[in-house]
Amino acid sequence: NAGVMQNPRHLVRRRGQEARLRCSPMKGHSHVYWYRQLPEEGLKFMVYLQKENIIDESGMPKERFSAEFPKEGPSILRIQQVVRGDSAAYFCASSLGLAGGHAYEQYFGPGTRLTVT
Amino acid sequence: AQKITQTQPGMFVQEKEAVTLDCTYDTSDPSYGLFWYKQPSSGEMIFLIYQGSYDQQNATEGRYSLNFQKARKSANLVISASQLGDSAMYFCAMREGLYSSASKIIFGSGTRLSIRP
Repeated sequence: NAGVMQNPRHLVRRRGQEARLRCSPMKGHSHVYWYRQLPEEGLKFMVYLQKENIIDESGMPKERFSAEFPKEGPSILRIQQVVRGDSAAYFCASSLGLAGGHAYEQYFGPGTRLTVT
Repeated sequence: AQKITQTQPGMFVQEKEAVTLDCTYDTSDPSYGLFWYKQPSSGEMIFLIYQGSYDQQNATEGRYSLNFQKARKSANLVISASQLGDSAMYFCAMREGLYSSASKIIFGSGTRLSIRP
């Protein structure tokens, strides 16, 4: 019973390049959340997606960042034209949603550490 | 206003002692959940314990217990008989609107716990 998978675990990009972060939710989960953790800080919510829909992107920067969760395949967080300030750990979490009223079960992946040089 | 406040950036505790990590929260939503996560130096987010706003009893999970004081809006984590492996960052977090589709988790800034042998 695999948990939430994220790849790559570590990603190095030069300024101006694109970064693509992948998240495969737990089996049967159709809700995915992305969080960003800057060094020495807590996690900050970025975006919440269900299959083929963005539900809440209130934490997503307006430019250069986009996310998708297609019908087939993993969720992708895409950062275009990366800058040094994008260096952070990006965590994905998944859940069943509102099953049984216990909507709190978000299971976190191991994170992708993005370094922009 | 901060939704989750952790006032202890760092703590040192002697092995085998009990430790309390403070957390206060702010919400006007009557339906919410409170969480504690552990983040060791390896970086993954490990779920420790959950307390729902309507739960009558304080949550317990092994050596972890959550001291939930609803009127004071506090949700302190108590670790009994601390072990060297407890050294890590600890994050308090909250999810509002448990039965709605708005599902993001809000994290505090964390407390770095160091256990002395």
